[in-house]
Amino acid sequence: KQEVTQIPAALSVPEGENLVLNCSFTDSAIYNLQWFRQDPGKGLTSLLLIQSSQREQTSGRLNASLDKSSGRSTLYIAASQPGDSATYLCASIQGAQKLVFGQGTRLTINP
Amino acid sequence: DVKVTQSSRYLVKRTGEKVFLECVQDMDHENMFWYRQDPGLGLRLIYFSYDVKMKEKGDIPEGYSVSREKKERFSLILESASTNQTSMYLCASSLLGNSRNQPQHFGDGTRLSIL
Repeated sequence: KQEVTQIPAALSVPEGENLVLNCSFTDSAIYNLQWFRQDPGKGLTSLLLIQSSQREQTSGRLNASLDKSSGRSTLYIAASQPGDSATYLCASIQGAQKLVFGQGTRLTINP
Repeated sequence: DVKVTQSSRYLVKRTGEKVFLECVQDMDHENMFWYRQDPGLGLRLIYFSYDVKMKEKGDIPEGYSVSREKKERFSLILESASTNQTSMYLCASSLLGNSRNQPQHFGDGTRLSIL
């Protein structure tokens, strides 16, 4: 059974820093990996999806990488801003498009 | 942009009531999903559907049923609500074509309290 882990559970950094969020998974037979952002009391916003054949995806200040062999994905945020404060979730897709989620990393950017 | 709309942001019901949570998407997506999100347990899949009138159990279907009579609408039903079903419920949709490489798009969630 796939297990997805995100460490740390919470992270606080000063504005302007570059940072990396980590996601690890136990079963490397994934089809893709999706990163989401969740603001308090809200739903999930899809940030990036990396297909299993890809190594990375970029969108603006965000860059996500995928290393299936080591069971790891990272989300890199450049030049962090207070508006980036949110919980970031990663999820792997197994068969039938079933997402398996990590518990999330709660990110706080301090002005 | 994909729009997934959940009918209620907040809902308060009583134990034993039959509760309906509604979800509508406007992008002609084949796949639709219902999750619940709880502190310490994360998001867990309740049911999903890949076509009208089709449904598949997720990881925690007990106490729930679903209905998909039209492609754009997916309803979650709590047959007899219990306090342990107090949670945040999230609906999502995605395209079927090359399904595994299609992102899932989420609604804003319904925070359901069962008293």
